[in-house]
Amino acid sequence: DQQVKQNSPSLSVQEGRISILNCDYTNSMFDYFLWYKKYPAEGPTFLISISSIKDKNEDGRFTVFLNKSAKHLSLHIVPSQPGDSAVYFCAASGFGGSNYKLTFGKGTLLTVNP
Amino acid sequence: GAVVSQHPSRVICKSGTSVKIECRSLDFQATTMFWYRQFPKQSLMLMATSNEGSKATYEQGVEKDKFLINHASLTLSTLTVTSAHPEDSSFYICSATKRAGGYGYTFGSGTRLTVV
Repeated sequence: DQQVKQNSPSLSVQEGRISILNCDYTNSMFDYFLWYKKYPAEGPTFLISISSIKDKNEDGRFTVFLNKSAKHLSLHIVPSQPGDSAVYFCAASGFGGSNYKLTFGKGTLLTVNP
Repeated sequence: GAVVSQHPSRVICKSGTSVKIECRSLDFQATTMFWYRQFPKQSLMLMATSNEGSKATYEQGVEKDKFLINHASLTLSTLTVTSAHPEDSSFYICSATKRAGGYGYTFGSGTRLTVV
């Protein structure tokens, strides 16, 4: 049973346009969410996170939106650049105790075309 | 910033042999380290959580006798794949956090293991 779902395995966007990557979760105990970027044969790199007490967090070109009632979050990248092409993983965690381990989605391959 | 070094980056071994993968936090003390495994086009699956000085906690379905984890110091954790078989071929990634329950996860660069 997958608790973190990224239903789009791939997304293709034109350079300069907005990229929107989606993530859904089922575990209501999750209260912290992270996005990671990953290139082939490399470890994930942290991008941005959001706590459940917020509904939006912005960092430069990256914005994460959280809709707790829908158990849905999304990562917006604007403007998209060819260097953003990578696999993006959504991850979720509960706070403290044994719930701090991350649960990952399967990832979405983003391709930004010049 | 926090840096995690993972070695080797890739290794090829013969079936039946053991392989050790090291994960080091270079500029911080990692009280907790995590080991993940990733199959092609799949998610990162947590294998085990290790806390310095104590036994690792393995996820359901992960054989603790096959995947030996040692976290002897605050900067080093090792994963040993014992009696490796071709089905153990995968991408193994470690991550480290500065404090238990903290969210400052830093990932290593991963190890591509191929068992022939």
